[in-house]
Amino acid sequence: NAGVTQTPKFRILKIGQSMTLQCTQDMNHNYMYWYRQDPGMGLKLIYYSVGAGITDKGEVPNGYNVSRSTTEDFPLRLELAAPSQTSVYFCASIKGARGNTIYFGEGSWLTVV
Amino acid sequence: AQSVTQPDIHITVSEGASLELRCNYSYGATPYLFWYVQSPGQGLQLLLKYFSGDTLVQGIKGFEAEFKRSQSSFNLRKPSVHWSDAAEYFCAVGAFNDYKLSFGAGTTVTVRA
Repeated sequence: NAGVTQTPKFRILKIGQSMTLQCTQDMNHNYMYWYRQDPGMGLKLIYYSVGAGITDKGEVPNGYNVSRSTTEDFPLRLELAAPSQTSVYFCASIKGARGNTIYFGEGSWLTVV
Repeated sequence: AQSVTQPDIHITVSEGASLELRCNYSYGATPYLFWYVQSPGQGLQLLLKYFSGDTLVQGIKGFEAEFKRSQSSFNLRKPSVHWSDAAEYFCAVGAFNDYKLSFGAGTTVTVRA
């Protein structure tokens, strides 16, 4: 059971480049999330999805896009990378029911130079 | 919207001493609360969670937390810390309907010999 898998783990981007962070879960979870972590700031929610075909903005969505075409996958797209997007990105998922555990991926370290 | 405050940015504790990390939350409904630990360069590991019932929650690695509704607090404790407990600790509160987590800014724990 792989849980939540994120790729790539590390990436360096140049300003203006685009990339997609991949997130896949094999637990049939309906809820999925993307967070970013900046030093001293905790984790901030970028986007989330409550099921296939449904996405919504979190606290810090600017500069990002997401899609949810399947239950398993929730990719995060950076269209025009900026230095402010240098961060650690975490994908998470949960089977939507009170008491269930939220599972996090291992994180993706992104540097924009 | 929910929010979390972790008043202590950094705590230094001697090995074998007790540890208490503070967490205060704001949420209009019955919260569900979490503590996560993150070692340098690693992802998030769930220490414990509270949904309902007994307000004293036991977690992994000898940690426990107590939910106090009157104080809107969910403080984390460990009776005797080990050098391996040096890490960053995050408190989080979850929303009832969409399970989005709001994180505190984190508390860094340093353990001295």
